[in-house]
Amino acid sequence: KAGVTQTPRYLIKTRGQQVTLSCSPISGHRSVSWYQQTPGQGLQFLFEYFSETQRNKGNFPGRFSGRQFSNSRSEMNVSTLELGDSALYLCASSPSGYEKLFFGSGTQLSVL
Amino acid sequence: AQTVTQSQPEMSVQEAETVTLSCTYDTSESDYYLFWYKQPPSRQMILVIRQEAYKQQNATENRFSVNFQKAAKSFSLKISDSQLGDAAMYFCAYRSAAQGNKLVFGAGTILRVKS
Repeated sequence: KAGVTQTPRYLIKTRGQQVTLSCSPISGHRSVSWYQQTPGQGLQFLFEYFSETQRNKGNFPGRFSGRQFSNSRSEMNVSTLELGDSALYLCASSPSGYEKLFFGSGTQLSVL
Repeated sequence: AQTVTQSQPEMSVQEAETVTLSCTYDTSESDYYLFWYKQPPSRQMILVIRQEAYKQQNATENRFSVNFQKAAKSFSLKISDSQLGDAAMYFCAYRSAAQGNKLVFGAGTILRVKS
């Protein structure tokens, strides 16, 4: 089975722009979670999607949003980018959200 | 809110030696899971070991074992016979159904392995 795939691996944007990151979970996995990793704040939970519905949400502003498609692929969007949004964004999938999480290699976002 | 604390920003170990990484957590819940994840330079988080809070027996996975002290809220990772490939950032994490199954991570410990 293919692992969790995140695209793109690297992204450079400027302040005020918006960005969309993609995550393809392992086949058969219906839960997709997103985490932000920064040197200052560490790893923080963004949100979880299951069967196209947001099931849990972390403490991030409304500029951070996501969605999940019927094939379980997920996207997260950040609007009006700020310098502090520069981070590694990690996606993780699992069959139902209650088992072992499988992580992707992340998307490194740099905001200039 | 649940918190996870890793007090060792960096640790070093000689190849073939044993090293212990520390983790403490704070929670009022009784049903939860604890994890150790490894993040090598490839950035992919890899699950090293998992412990269910209701199990008294410490989890073991090959060279990796934990010392789970529920009353003290302590969850340390012991790596035996350290190998160069063990060099990575290690994160301790907490998860509970009551919190929606999100992972709460500690700040991480960089492990360096010397040859």
